[in-house]
Amino acid sequence: AQSVTQPDIHITVSEGASLELRCNYSYGATPYLFWYVQSPGQGLQLLLKYFSGDTLVQGIKGFEAEFKRSQSSFNLRKPSVHWSDAAEYFCAVGGSSNYKLTFGKGTLLTVNP
Amino acid sequence: ETGVTQTPRHLVMGMTNKKSLKCEQHLGHNAMYWYKQSAKKPLELMFVYNFKEQTENNSVPSRFSPECPNSSHLFLHLHTLQPEDSALYLCASSQDWRSTEAFFGQGTRLTVV
Repeated sequence: AQSVTQPDIHITVSEGASLELRCNYSYGATPYLFWYVQSPGQGLQLLLKYFSGDTLVQGIKGFEAEFKRSQSSFNLRKPSVHWSDAAEYFCAVGGSSNYKLTFGKGTLLTVNP
Repeated sequence: ETGVTQTPRHLVMGMTNKKSLKCEQHLGHNAMYWYKQSAKKPLELMFVYNFKEQTENNSVPSRFSPECPNSSHLFLHLHTLQPEDSALYLCASSQDWRSTEAFFGQGTRLTVV
């Protein structure tokens, strides 16, 4: 069965600081990996995705993520956080053997001024 | 604006009421989904429609009844709900059921009283 673990329920960073949100997945075949962001009261917006190829993927709003097969991880990073990045972030996995997306429980990001 | 529109944005209903949630996508996609997002739980896939045919029902209680009259519209009919059904209901669409890249609407916040 596929699963996603986001170990950090809540992270607080200062504006301008770097950010890394962790995501570990379990999937029996080649995974397709996604990061979504959800602002309060809103739906989910796709930040970036990994299907194949270069393991470092760039997304919108200055985010990037690195796929590490050996660690079953797909961590999200941003070098300098802005106050508008405060939101909840969801990692998800799907793929060629099971097209359903499985989501993690999310990480809530708070940005201090 | 993601191309997926949900109405209403907020809904309060009694346990004996009947109401419907509406989702419309303007992306030319052929697959549509209903997800349930409850506090402190991962997003739960409820239903999948591909080319108007239901391809997945994730053991959802019969008090939730989906309808997909065409590839652009998806409804979720609600009747005799329970307070634990209060949640954010998210609609999503993708190119087809094999495409794991989903685009989400802003959701309907449902409160059952």
